[in-house]
Amino acid sequence: KNEVEQSPQNLTAQEGEFITINCSYSVGISALHWLQQHPGGGIVSLFMLSSGKKKHGRLIATINIQEKHSSLHITASHPRDSAVYICAVEPGNQFYFGTGTSLTVIP
Amino acid sequence: DGGITQSPKYLFRKEGQNVTLSCEQNLNHDAMYWYRQDPGQGLRLIYYSQIVNDFQKGDIAEGYSVSREKKESFPLTVTSAQKNPTAFYLCASARGVGETQYFGPGTRLLVL
Repeated sequence: KNEVEQSPQNLTAQEGEFITINCSYSVGISALHWLQQHPGGGIVSLFMLSSGKKKHGRLIATINIQEKHSSLHITASHPRDSAVYICAVEPGNQFYFGTGTSLTVIP
Repeated sequence: DGGITQSPKYLFRKEGQNVTLSCEQNLNHDAMYWYRQDPGQGLRLIYYSQIVNDFQKGDIAEGYSVSREKKESFPLTVTSAQKNPTAFYLCASARGVGETQYFGPGTRLLVL
C-alpha cells in the first residue's frame, strides 16, 4: 500500500475549467507539499502546508489533517498549467511521494 | 545580522539533473564546509575550502563539485553522478580550518 495516493492519475480539461487534484495519505505528517513538474523536467514547489489553506494566484491548496487529505485547485485553468502535479508528505525525516497527476489543459 | 544563508529550505529535482545548492556567509570567514546528513546518521564531509580559489575533497566527494570564487560564497553542485542525492545538506563556515564552525539552516534536497 502506498503511503500517498493521488487522484485522478490523468486529467484533461478545457481552458477555463476549475480543476481539483486530490491527495490522501496514511501516515502522520509534519507537512505536505504540492509540486509541479513541467514537460521539460523542472520541478517547482507550489505549496507547503501543515494546516488550513493557502492561495497563490490561481492556485489554492487545502489540507484536512484529521481526514489525512489535501486538495489542489486550479481556477480558470490555462494551457500553461499543463504539467504533472505531485503530492509529497513529510512524516519526520522521510518523504513519501504520490505518483502524480498528469494534467492537460486544452485551449 | 551576520550569519550563514542557505536557500531554499526544500529543493526538488528530477533524477538525472544537476542541482546547485547555495551557501552565503557574511562573517568574513576564510573556511567553508559542506556536509551531508542522512536519516539516523551523523554529518559527513563532502568538500571544504580553506581560502578563496582553493577547495579540498572530504570523505564523500564523489558526485559533487564546488567552487570558491568569492570569500562569501561556496556553492555545491550535486551532479547526476551522485547515486543517492536525496539528503539534508548543511553548509558551515569558520575563521579558519580547525576553528569553531557556524552552520547554516540547511537545504533538504529531494530527488524524484
